[in-house]
Amino acid sequence: ELKVEQNPLFLSMQEGKNYTIYCNYSTTSDRLYWYRQDPGKSLESLFVLLSNGAVKQEGRLMASLDTKARLSTLHITAAVHDLSATYFCAVDGGGTSYGKLTFGQGTILTVHP
Amino acid sequence: SAVISQKPSRDICQRGTSLTIQCQVDSQVTMMFWYRQQPGQSLTLIATANQGSEATYESGFVIDKFPISRPNLTFSTLTVSNMSPEDSSIYLCSVGVGGRVGETQYFGPGTRLLVL
Repeated sequence: ELKVEQNPLFLSMQEGKNYTIYCNYSTTSDRLYWYRQDPGKSLESLFVLLSNGAVKQEGRLMASLDTKARLSTLHITAAVHDLSATYFCAVDGGGTSYGKLTFGQGTILTVHP
Repeated sequence: SAVISQKPSRDICQRGTSLTIQCQVDSQVTMMFWYRQQPGQSLTLIATANQGSEATYESGFVIDKFPISRPNLTFSTLTVSNMSPEDSSIYLCSVGVGGRVGETQYFGPGTRLLVL
């Protein structure tokens, strides 16, 4: 059974600081997603990571994937208040479970002035 | 990308009743997925809906409680049957777009259900 664990679950940051959210998963997968969810809203797709060593960047967010370590990171650079949200990683089951996502618990990010 | 709409966006229901949630996609997709997000929790996959075949359910979810229809490649419904307060959740449909290599999974806006 695929398990996905994120840490930290709660993250309070000051504006301008850097931090990393970690996503560990238990079985091999070739596809990992990062999503953002604002309160009362649906999920917004941030990144899709497909291969070992993949790195993608969008604005102040950068995601990477290490399939050998079964680890993905979401790095936040010089945080701003607008980044406050809940961030989820999700891992595709692959094979006969292709398309079925298992989600991490989510990281609630709050950026303070 | 994909534009996904869901109806209703929210509802308040009495226990013992049933609610059918609709999901409409602006393009044809093979697989549609239904997820549940309980209050303050992460998302859990309920079932996969393929056009022309029976839905496949994940552990802990059964067809009698969550019957699903998939009449064509752009539409699906999820019914929450014989509701109890524990069914209060956000229900989201999801589709994959872009082909196997470039695929991204998109989510609908969700249906917020409160059962009294």
